[in-house]
Amino acid sequence: DAGVTQSPTHLIKTRGQQVTLRCSPKSGHDTVSWYQQALGQGPQFIFQYYEEEERQRGNFPDRFSGHQFPNYSSELNVNALLLGDSALYLCASSLDAGRASPLHFGNGTRLTVT
Amino acid sequence: AQRVTQPEKLLSVFKGAPVELKCNYSYSGSPELFWYVQYSRQRLQLLLRHISRESIKGFTADLNKGETSFHLKKPFAQEEDSAMYYCALSGPNTGNQFYFGTGTSLTVIP
Repeated sequence: DAGVTQSPTHLIKTRGQQVTLRCSPKSGHDTVSWYQQALGQGPQFIFQYYEEEERQRGNFPDRFSGHQFPNYSSELNVNALLLGDSALYLCASSLDAGRASPLHFGNGTRLTVT
Repeated sequence: AQRVTQPEKLLSVFKGAPVELKCNYSYSGSPELFWYVQYSRQRLQLLLRHISRESIKGFTADLNKGETSFHLKKPFAQEEDSAMYYCALSGPNTGNQFYFGTGTSLTVIP
């Protein structure tokens, strides 16, 4: 079991551009969450997908959007990139059990906006 | 509002010494508390959760609702414990999203 996989590992974009990050959850997991981790900070919740729908959303603008596919994989899209979007983006999968299920993280995508 | 506070950004202890990483939280209701660890060049991974009440790699953590704390402890630190540790909170009031602290970088000095 490869666990949670994310691609790409690194990405450099210019301000104003759009970016798509991808995530495959751990085998058997049906829920995918995305987190943003700025330097020196803990992960911050962006949103969570379950049954191909956004179930929960953190305090992030609409420029951040996502999608979950029938095979449970997920994408995170960020439009109109700002310098402040530079961060490590973590995908985490879990099994929906009606309560806080432990998150399993990927290695993350390091996004740099210049 | 839900919040997790880890007051120490950096913590250094000698090998064999006891270690305690502090975590305080604010939450209305019954939270679920977790400790996650990130070793060098590895992904963030679950270390332990309070409802399991188990010891992982010699670490334990007790949920103190009166003091709203969930400190991580180990009686004898080992060099391989050097890592970044994050305390996290979740629960029904958060829609099961996780709130993370800013992390504590633990260095165990040989």
